[in-house]
Amino acid sequence: GAVVSQHPSWVICKSGTSVKIECRSLDFQATTMFWYRQFPKQSLMLMATSNEGSKATYEQGVEKDKFLINHASLTLSTLTVTSAHPEDSSFYICSARDKADTQYFGPGTRLTVL
Amino acid sequence: GEDVEQSLFLSVREGDSSVINCTYTDSSSTYLYWYKQEPGAGLQLLTYIFSNMDMKQDQRLTVLLNKKDKHLSLRIADTQTGDSAIYFCAESNTGGFKTIFGAGTRLFVKA
Repeated sequence: GAVVSQHPSWVICKSGTSVKIECRSLDFQATTMFWYRQFPKQSLMLMATSNEGSKATYEQGVEKDKFLINHASLTLSTLTVTSAHPEDSSFYICSARDKADTQYFGPGTRLTVL
Repeated sequence: GEDVEQSLFLSVREGDSSVINCTYTDSSSTYLYWYKQEPGAGLQLLTYIFSNMDMKQDQRLTVLLNKKDKHLSLRIADTQTGDSAIYFCAESNTGGFKTIFGAGTRLFVKA
């Protein structure tokens, strides 16, 4: 079946640094990818919808200058957390939608900001 | 590795009950979730159940867990057209950070 990978799976960084998270669809082309943020035992929060070749659409309350999204190809989207702070520590999950409109989730990236 | 499986489609008539099934492989699962996704929207947490529970009821929703068979189901009573959506089953282990999702079941409700 379709597989979506994320890299890295776990990252620890110092406050003020930037972190890039990659999301790849391994065996299908994804014109649309989604980025979610999850706090423990809580619902996923949709951060943005990323369409290949165009600017991402951010949800209300999500700072586009802080969470930079680049969907450079049909198989790769990246999320960069700029000037990360401890409150950005969370679990970030991407998903990719194929041509049949089926959504596949990545395994997630756990970000810890010290 | 861990895996969560669901059937991809379910079609029911308005007013009938819907039952969406899910199986998982991780025996250390602690929390099991049901999410709903409407077109163009993000995931909305419907309900979750701890692994030490067999059943949880919340208004029209009933969650049944068979831990021995690693089988989870979501029953929607008196299904309405507004219930048409994709329903995702998910599981996570102690700590709640890593969550594994199923591919989603698309529920069609016919008037």
